[in-house]
Amino acid sequence: DVKVTQSSRYLVKRTGEKVFLECVQDMDHENMFWYRQDPGLGLRLIYFSYDVKMKEKGDIPEGYSVSREKKERFSLILESASTNQTSMYLCASSPPVWTIRTRSDEQFFGPGTRLTVL
Amino acid sequence: SQELEQSPQSLIVQEGKNLTINCTSSKTLYGLYWYKQKYGEGLIFLMMLQKGGEEKSHEKITAKLDEKKQQSSLHITASQPSHAGIYLCGVRHSWGKLQFGAGTQVVVTP
Repeated sequence: DVKVTQSSRYLVKRTGEKVFLECVQDMDHENMFWYRQDPGLGLRLIYFSYDVKMKEKGDIPEGYSVSREKKERFSLILESASTNQTSMYLCASSPPVWTIRTRSDEQFFGPGTRLTVL
Repeated sequence: SQELEQSPQSLIVQEGKNLTINCTSSKTLYGLYWYKQKYGEGLIFLMMLQKGGEEKSHEKITAKLDEKKQQSSLHITASQPSHAGIYLCGVRHSWGKLQFGAGTQVVVTP
């Protein structure tokens, strides 16, 4: 089974702190994604990466950065946390869409990190 | 960008009753995904639809994509407490990234 793990289920930080959210997948997937989920807004894509050291901005990248030094690990960084970044953060991974080895290009999600910024 | 609208926003259904959730797109859907999320947890993949008129079923959940590929419905037959959660539809863009609707919260009462 594909496994996507996130470093913390719950995290409480103070305004201005630097925050690292870690995501690790064990299926050798090329694509990795970071979303945030807020009531009434659904999931919104923050950043994604289709290869090591490659990153692309999603729909709401402001206030975030990412790092992908190894294929299995994708980190989301909040350089200076703010209260409006209190949210549920979900990481996902998937094989590339053009692969013929998979039946679908579904994304596999981690359990999420609920971040509260005080 | 493509807009995905889900309806209803939330619904309460009595155990044993059927329910339907709709997902409407402003543009043609090339790959429509349905996910389920239990409160405070990650998303679980349910089904993916690609062809106009396609219908897929898994246990008591059936998803359909209309012929014009702009609307999908998710139907649950004889709902059970295990069906409670948030259901999200998503559309695939380039590089496999997904854009999601706002979600439909389903509550199943005894």
